[in-house]
Amino acid sequence: NAGVTQTPKFQVLKTGQSMTLQCAQDMNHEYMSWYRQDPGMGLRLIHYSVGAGITDQGEVPNGYNVSRSTTEDFPLRLLSAAPSQTSVYFCASSPRTSGGTKETQYFGPGTRLLVL
Amino acid sequence: SQQGEEDPQALSIQEGENATMNCSYKTSINNLQWYRQNSGRGLVHLILIRSNEREKHSGRLRVTLDTSKKSSSLLITASRAADTASYFCATDDNYGQNFVFGPGTRLSVLP
Repeated sequence: NAGVTQTPKFQVLKTGQSMTLQCAQDMNHEYMSWYRQDPGMGLRLIHYSVGAGITDQGEVPNGYNVSRSTTEDFPLRLLSAAPSQTSVYFCASSPRTSGGTKETQYFGPGTRLLVL
Repeated sequence: SQQGEEDPQALSIQEGENATMNCSYKTSINNLQWYRQNSGRGLVHLILIRSNEREKHSGRLRVTLDTSKKSSSLLITASRAADTASYFCATDDNYGQNFVFGPGTRLSVLP
């Protein structure tokens, strides 16, 4: 199993450009999430999905869109990049527990994004 | 929103020593998790402790949870240089749907 994969590993954008960060998992996990990590702030949740066709906003959703057409893929779209979106982005997946909650998360290696 | 706050922000110890880091949170939880992040990598799950548990062990890791004080501690015994990393606690939200991460503790283990 490849686990959680993310592409690209590194990207430089100009202000106003759009792009899609790719995330895929091969563990048949129902839950998937996108986080951004900034220095000294830990991880902040951008968007999450509890299953194919279902997405919801996290703590910092503005400027980002997501979709979940399949169980495996959960792309994150930056609509019009801004310097404030310079960050490291992590995708995570987790299985659904018997109680319907989310527990152990498996993280991808991250995408480093620089917006000039 | 509830959040885990790790303490200290940074910790430097010698190889072989024990490392203790703490996490405090604000509201009731279902469970609390600890993750490790090596420089430039993704987070790796270390251990989960449920609200009805007080202590868990995994290899050289020992996690305690005190729900009355809303705090948890992670102890790494006999530390190694390879333990150098950032350590994060994550607390779940009231619905068990998502987790909130603290800013982390940066651990440096010197050879």
